[in-house]
Amino acid sequence: SAVISQKPSRDICQRGTSLTIQCQVDSQVTMMFWYRQQPGQSLTLIATANQGSEATYESGFVIDKFPISRPNLTFSTLTVSNMSPEDSSIYLCSVEDIPPSIGYTFGSGTRLTVV
Amino acid sequence: AQSVTQLDSQVPVFEEAPVELRCNYSSSVSVYLFWYVQYPNQGLQLLLKYLSGSTLVESINGFEAEFNKSQTSFHLRKPSVHISDTAEYFCAVSDRGSEKLVFGKGTKLTVNP
Repeated sequence: SAVISQKPSRDICQRGTSLTIQCQVDSQVTMMFWYRQQPGQSLTLIATANQGSEATYESGFVIDKFPISRPNLTFSTLTVSNMSPEDSSIYLCSVEDIPPSIGYTFGSGTRLTVV
Repeated sequence: AQSVTQLDSQVPVFEEAPVELRCNYSSSVSVYLFWYVQYPNQGLQLLLKYLSGSTLVESINGFEAEFNKSQTSFHLRKPSVHISDTAEYFCAVSDRGSEKLVFGKGTKLTVNP
């Protein structure tokens, strides 16, 4: 499985500001995924990021609020923009396992608190 | 559309007792099934997965899950739990040919001494 380094691990931010989360993978991967885990809830897919193209967002998530960059096959960023307390969540990046393995590996997550 | 139902949000058990965490899914196509574990203040770790073949899959730490196609279930079991098994467990499904994972709401397992 790939090894994912996600930064920062946690942050406390003021409302109205933005935070950029970084996800670095130790191998080249085609797709990277960004999830949100709200307090006491399950994981919800925000978007899928392919290198060289715009991210594909799931219903309820928009690019203006969660812009994503994917400059190469080992790196991606997710920005949470104009934050409000409702954005307080754990944000996780994920990659597909390298074939022939089938599955997904997750980063350790970014715990965001908006005050 | 896919969905995953974890019937129990919280399961308290005593140490060395058996446990079953239930998971049912809905999908119109063949699926891959996963159980992930999230220890307190940590990310998700893969516990086990069903891709094809034998319907009973096992993890290295004593958990097992059985794929039951007729009941669309993938329940997780362990015959004797340890306090260190205290964590949140997520069941997830992916349609074959799709890259998207859909998660259940999770079951918080608490093992008491």
